[in-house]
Amino acid sequence: EVQLVESGGGLVQPGGSLRLSCSASGFTFSSYAMHWVRQAPGKGLEYVSAISSNGGSTYYADSVKGRFTISRDNSKNTLYLQMSSLRAEDTAVYYCVKDGSPGYYSYFDYWGQGTLVTVSS
Amino acid sequence: EIVLTQSPDFQSVTPKEKVTITCRASQSIGSSLHWYQQKPDQSPKLLIKYASQSISGVPSRFSGSGSGTDFTLTINSLEAEDAATYYCHQSSSLPFTFGPGTKVDIK
Repeated sequence: EVQLVESGGGLVQPGGSLRLSCSASGFTFSSYAMHWVRQAPGKGLEYVSAISSNGGSTYYADSVKGRFTISRDNSKNTLYLQMSSLRAEDTAVYYCVKDGSPGYYSYFDYWGQGTLVTVSS
Repeated sequence: EIVLTQSPDFQSVTPKEKVTITCRASQSIGSSLHWYQQKPDQSPKLLIKYASQSISGVPSRFSGSGSGTDFTLTINSLEAEDAATYYCHQSSSLPFTFGPGTKVDIK
């Protein structure tokens, strides 16, 4: 059974930093691209970032480019999102998402339960 | 960036009724369009991939169609458990984008 378990969310002041982690199990982690998608309270889904299966290629939405860094450790089956210079508008539930096709970006077949990040003074 | 629009924004439906949700892309995306269901306080769940391909474990009353710029999600014979917000998503080109969602409420 595929499981994606996020951790690391919490309350942080504007300008602060936070690192999210996503522990993956139930599939060959190193074969799949992974993504972060966020959802502000009461709002829709917003695509944040992607990383290829071997970590060699990354993508960021304009809204987070230069502030967030996605990475992965395939030896630990773990995905990360390092967030810095956080703003109030970054407040959201952050979902760790598994890509559905090995080797390239496609649909999202499994989502974690999400971790809430609140940016407030 | 490819913009996805959905209609309607909200639909209140009686059980056993048929529901049709449309998703329109700002440019052609072939069949790289996927549908998700999100129930309150839950994570999104994949319903349909590549416009019309079914997903194991998803009830057969959910179906998708379309290509290019116009897509449709159909729920045949709506059940109470289908109350949720439905999102379309394109994977044709980065940045991947989502539609704004369609909330389906049960009368």
